[in-house]
Amino acid sequence: DAGVIQSPRHEVTEMGQEVTLRCKPISGHDYLFWYRQTMMRGLELLIYFNNNVPIDDSGMPEDRFSAKMPNASFSTLKIQPSEPRDSAVYFCASSLRPDAEAFFGQGTRLTVV
Amino acid sequence: AQSVTQLDSHVSVSEGTPVLLRCNYSSSYSPSLFWYVQHPNKGLQLLLKYTSAATLVKGINGFEAEFKKSETSFHLTKPSAHMSDAAEYFCVVRAGYSSASKIIFGSGTRLSIRP
Repeated sequence: DAGVIQSPRHEVTEMGQEVTLRCKPISGHDYLFWYRQTMMRGLELLIYFNNNVPIDDSGMPEDRFSAKMPNASFSTLKIQPSEPRDSAVYFCASSLRPDAEAFFGQGTRLTVV
Repeated sequence: AQSVTQLDSHVSVSEGTPVLLRCNYSSSYSPSLFWYVQHPNKGLQLLLKYTSAATLVKGINGFEAEFKKSETSFHLTKPSAHMSDAAEYFCVVRAGYSSASKIIFGSGTRLSIRP
């Protein structure tokens, strides 16, 4: 398996634009997580899914953020409209079982100017 | 509820000396515990994991961690530091007996190695 695949690797966008980040989890993994990493706040869990169903979205900062998982092999994190304070590295991760480790993608570095 | 506290934000050691990165956790259920490493501008790599088997866990690159339930600790150690160990280290807790099994990261410890 190629691991967790995220796209794009880098995204630069203007304030107010819509941004969509994409993630392909490892095949067979039932859990998918979205994290945001910044210098100020460290690694924050935004939302996670089990079997394509959102379980906990309490970490989603505002209504401008939304995440979907239409099938077991694809998830998106959307920011609309984007703001400069959304600039961060966004990681997607997946895991096989509720007690297992998570495997992380390489991240998407988002810059909002 | 679960949480994890990394007691040191920055640790600096000399090359060849022991490394100790401290982690305490809180969990309502028997937890799974992990250590991840992140090198500058890189992704997160699993170092080692504890999932209710042996309490002393060996990981990659010579790292070990010991699960101590009485102390709610899961400290990371290495007998002899190498320059390539300089990175950010994250202690992670997961209470994993249901579909509601989130993964919580500590705030991280930056490890610096002096020549």
